Amino acid sequence: QQQVKQSPQSLIVQKGGISIINCAYENTAFDYFPWYQQFPGKGPALLIAIRPDVSEKKEGRFTISFNKSAKQFSLHIMDSQPGDSATYFCAASNTRGSTLGRLYFGRGTQLTVWP
Amino acid sequence: DVKVTQSSRYLVKRTGEKVFLECVQDMDHENMFWYRQDPGLGLRLIYFSYDVKMKEKGDIPEGYSVSREKKERFSLILESASTNQTSMYLCASSLGGQGEETQYFGPGTRLLVL
Repeated sequence: QQQVKQSPQSLIVQKGGISIINCAYENTAFDYFPWYQQFPGKGPALLIAIRPDVSEKKEGRFTISFNKSAKQFSLHIMDSQPGDSATYFCAASNTRGSTLGRLYFGRGTQLTVWP
Repeated sequence: DVKVTQSSRYLVKRTGEKVFLECVQDMDHENMFWYRQDPGLGLRLIYFSYDVKMKEKGDIPEGYSVSREKKERFSLILESASTNQTSMYLCASSLGGQGEETQYFGPGTRLLVL
């Protein structure tokens, strides 16, 4: 059973546009929601993360929006650039559970930004 | 900077061979993880370890085993490789005991089983 559902699987955006990737979860014990970015030939790397006590977190052009009641969170990339072309994974974790540190990943979104 | 290294970037093996994938981290992290990455399926957890000689099954442990004899090293073993184990294998580590834990990934090993 997939713990975190991610959509879309692929996304094509024009340079300067807004990229939006959505994730949903069911387990209300999840309390930490990171996003990872993976470039071709590299391992994923942490991009930005949020806890459910805030509804939004912004770092530069990247923003996470969090809707606790809907059990959904999303990544927004403003002014998308060709260098943002990568695969993005959302994830969730129960930081107080017995499996500390385990992340449950979505299936990923391949973002292509056209120049 | 945390560094996670994997022994090979590319590996070609025959069906039935025993395959060892090695992962080493240099930051004294407690937790280590093995994932496989397949198109459309994302990152699937095979095994993870919280301490030396400790291991926990992930979501897809069948056909795999692991070994952690030293804190910095976590090995993934394919006892008898099969073609459906052709995949990208990613190792990761995290500090341990901190709750909100960043996982640091290696560059991956692309395994082809013929």
